[in-house]
Amino acid sequence: DAGVIQSPRHEVTEMGQEVTLRCKPISGHDYLFWYRQTMMRGLELLIYFNNNVPIDDSGMPEDRFSAKMPNASFSTLKIQPSEPRDSAVYFCASSRTSGRTDTQYFGPGTRLTVL
Amino acid sequence: DQQVKQNSPSLSVQEGRISILNCDYTNSMFDYFLWYKKYPAEGPTFLISISSIKDKNEDGRFTVFLNKSAKHLSLHIVPSQPGDSAVYFCAAIHTGGGNKLTFGTGTQLKVEL
Repeated sequence: DAGVIQSPRHEVTEMGQEVTLRCKPISGHDYLFWYRQTMMRGLELLIYFNNNVPIDDSGMPEDRFSAKMPNASFSTLKIQPSEPRDSAVYFCASSRTSGRTDTQYFGPGTRLTVL
Repeated sequence: DQQVKQNSPSLSVQEGRISILNCDYTNSMFDYFLWYKKYPAEGPTFLISISSIKDKNEDGRFTVFLNKSAKHLSLHIVPSQPGDSAVYFCAAIHTGGGNKLTFGTGTQLKVEL
């Protein structure tokens, strides 16, 4: 299995530009999570989907952030317009349905730098 | 408001000795706890977990202890190896509140030769 795939691995953009991060979850997993990692706050959950439906987006920082999951094998996280404080590593993770013991499998992350 | 706290940003231990990483939580609804390990330029990977009905779970060199009354858990690595050098994240979940992990800020462990 290829694991969770994220692209791009690195993104450098200028303030005000639109940024789109992409994720392909592990086949057969029906939960998908987007996290942001910063030094100050660690790993923060932004949003998660179950069967392509957004379940909890309470971690999305502002309206500038949006996420979609058009099908079971693809999700995007978009920031428009981007700001320097959005600079962080963004992780996508997936897991199977069922109980609490299910492990979340993380992708390698996208390092975003907004100048 | 950090509901899961790892107050030590870094820890240095000699090879062969014990590494103890600590984690505190504030939400009494959390009933399942996990440790993840992260190497540079990689995503976190699951290491070990414990249910709130237990106070200890062991897997090889890794043992997690849970003290519910103190809302504290710790990860023990014995013996520590250079390959254990990584960032360790503590995470907690309220299983009745959806499949949502709350992570701490992480502890950078360095195992020295």
